Formats: sequence, structure tokens, C-alpha cells
Amino acid sequence: DTEVTQTPKHLVMGMTNKKSLKCEQHMGHRAMYWYKQKAKKPPELMFVYSYEKLSINESVPSRFSPECPNSSLLNLHLHALQPEDSALYLCASSEGQGRWEQYFGPGTRLTVT
Amino acid sequence: LAKTTQPISMDSYEGQEVNITCSHNNIATNDYITWYQQFPSQGPRFIIQGYKTKVTNEVASLFIPADRKSSTLSLPRVSLSDTAVYYCLVVGGGSQGNLIFGKGTKLSVKP
Repeated sequence: DTEVTQTPKHLVMGMTNKKSLKCEQHMGHRAMYWYKQKAKKPPELMFVYSYEKLSINESVPSRFSPECPNSSLLNLHLHALQPEDSALYLCASSEGQGRWEQYFGPGTRLTVT
Repeated sequence: LAKTTQPISMDSYEGQEVNITCSHNNIATNDYITWYQQFPSQGPRFIIQGYKTKVTNEVASLFIPADRKSSTLSLPRVSLSDTAVYYCLVVGGGSQGNLIFGKGTKLSVKP
């Protein structure tokens, strides 16, 4: 199984809402990532978890809060977002320990109204 | 951090070989070069990874000269379904590397 799943596929939320994005992989990968991608732009790294610990936070605003409950799951909690946060949010995983091949999920299309 | 530079776009015809070059002048000794393919509204898909010389898999070949300051992704006999954005990504030998995607190359394959 080389699949990374993400739910929901689409999400529309108001600026005062709280919502969560979920990501799951069962490849035994120990590194998991959140990326944000705006239209016609490359993915931008947000967070990296390595062995369930946050190892990289690319100066992401606190209205985005990541969580890694276990080695297979990765969440992104959203609160008080702005319309400019509307984007495709991608989750990825890799073996870690210098193995760089990342497997990406299909993404969650987020619209903030 | 090893910043990458790629052509913004390329055009090709079905059946041709396509070579996309990426420049990474500041690549470090422990860095690897990876390439990804992305279709609209989908996550990127890993194509190939290399450190030096040549790497080949069932999808593509990756050529890396001795100075490692550039790399070339070679796609043999492209088809319409290869129309996509191709990203070169230099990843560090440290725990997670830099993981900074360049702007990518939009490849358009015509019949």
C-alpha cells in the first residue's frame, strides 16, 4: 500500500470556524509533511514531523496547528483563517532517515469565506 | 540552501524524448536531487532520485555531471499524458533537508 489519504477532499469554512484536515499513511513512514499550494505555484513546506515529533515549522501562522497523534496519522487544525489561506493543502510522507522519496496525498481543497 | 532554477515551460510532440534541466549551483555534498511530476489539482508524484552520474528507472533517467551543479531529467518517448509540471527538488543529507520546491517546468506535449 503506497497510498496517502487525505480527508476531506474539499472544505469550505468561515473565518470564525474551527476545522481539521486529516492525513493517513500505512507505509510505516516515519516522516510526515504538510504543504500549502496556491494556484499555479509550487508547494510550500509548512511542517515536518519526524518520528512523531515536530522537526520543522516554516514560520507558519499560529492559526495553523499541526498534530501527529501516532506514526500513521497527521492532522492540521485550522482556526480563524483568512481568505488568503484558501489553497490546496497537501500531506506527504517519507521513510525518513535520509530517504527522500515523498508520497503525496491528493490534497484538501480549502476555501475560506 | 540549494536554490533550483528550471525553465518555466517546454513544448514537445508525442514520441519525442524530452530533457528538462535544473540548475542547483549551491548543492551541498550531502544533498540529493529528486524530481516530481504534478498534474492539476493532484499531489506531486515522485519520479526519480539521484546523487551523481546516471540513474534510470522505468519512467525516466536522471543525468548528473561530476560537479553536480545541474541535473537533467530525461523522459523517453513522451505521450499526451506526460503533460504536467515537473519539479526539481534538492534535498539535504541532514534530517529533513531543505524541501524547497522550485517554480517547476510546465511541459506541454502535443499530438
